[in-house]
Amino acid sequence: GAVVSQHPSWVICKSGTSVKIECRSLDFQATTMFWYRQFPKQSLMLMATSNEGSKATYEQGVEKDKFLINHASLTLSTLTVTSAHPEDSSFYICSALVGEADTQYFGPGTRLTVL
Amino acid sequence: GDSVTQMEGPVTLSEEAFLTINCTYTATGYPSLFWYVQYPGEGLQLLLKATKADDKGSNKGFEATYRKETTSFHLEKGSVQVSDSAVYFCALSDNSGNTPLVFGKGTRLSVIA
Repeated sequence: GAVVSQHPSWVICKSGTSVKIECRSLDFQATTMFWYRQFPKQSLMLMATSNEGSKATYEQGVEKDKFLINHASLTLSTLTVTSAHPEDSSFYICSALVGEADTQYFGPGTRLTVL
Repeated sequence: GDSVTQMEGPVTLSEEAFLTINCTYTATGYPSLFWYVQYPGEGLQLLLKATKADDKGSNKGFEATYRKETTSFHLEKGSVQVSDSAVYFCALSDNSGNTPLVFGKGTRLSVIA
C-alpha cells in the first residue's frame, strides 16, 4: 500500500519557538494532504486540507497564522507551528489522498511537546 | 453534516473472544466507510473499507458489512488476540472529491491473555 512518512516523529521544544513537521508520500503523488490533531485518548480533529500549489483550507477555529501549511510539491506538505505554547502539545498526524481514490493513508504521527 | 457514532470504550476481552464494535453513520448520498486501527504510539492504519451498500470489507480476520438500511458498519472478529489491542476508529468519506474523513471518537480495545 501507499506509504506516508512524517518527520520528526517526536519533538520537544521551548515555548515561543517554531516547529516544522514534514509529511511525505513516499511512493505516490498526493495532490491533497490533510493535517489532523489528536489529543490524548480522543479522536482525530481535522485542522486543514492542503492542496499542492494552492493555499490550505483551514477548519473553523484553527488559526492559519499559527499553523502554517505549505504543500510545495506533490510529495511533501509541511506544518509549521509558530510560537508554540504548551497548549499546542499534541499528536499531529497527516494523511494523503491516493489519486482519485477515496482512501487516505496516514503518516505515523508527530508528537509535539512544548515546555 | 455527516457524522459517525461508535460505541464507547474501553472494551476488554479475553483472548479468543468474539469482538463487535458498533458503528453507525449519518450522511447524505452514498459515503465510503472505513475502519482504521491505531496501535499505541503510532499513527492510523487502514484496516478495511467498503464503498457501497452490502459490501463487506475484511482484513486480518476483521470484517465489517456496509448496511445502508441500518446505516451501520459494525466491526467484528471471531477470535481476538492480544496483538489486536489498539484503538479502532470508524470513519466515512462522502466521495465528493478530496474530502477529509469524518471520524468516530474511537474505541479502545484491550485483549488480555
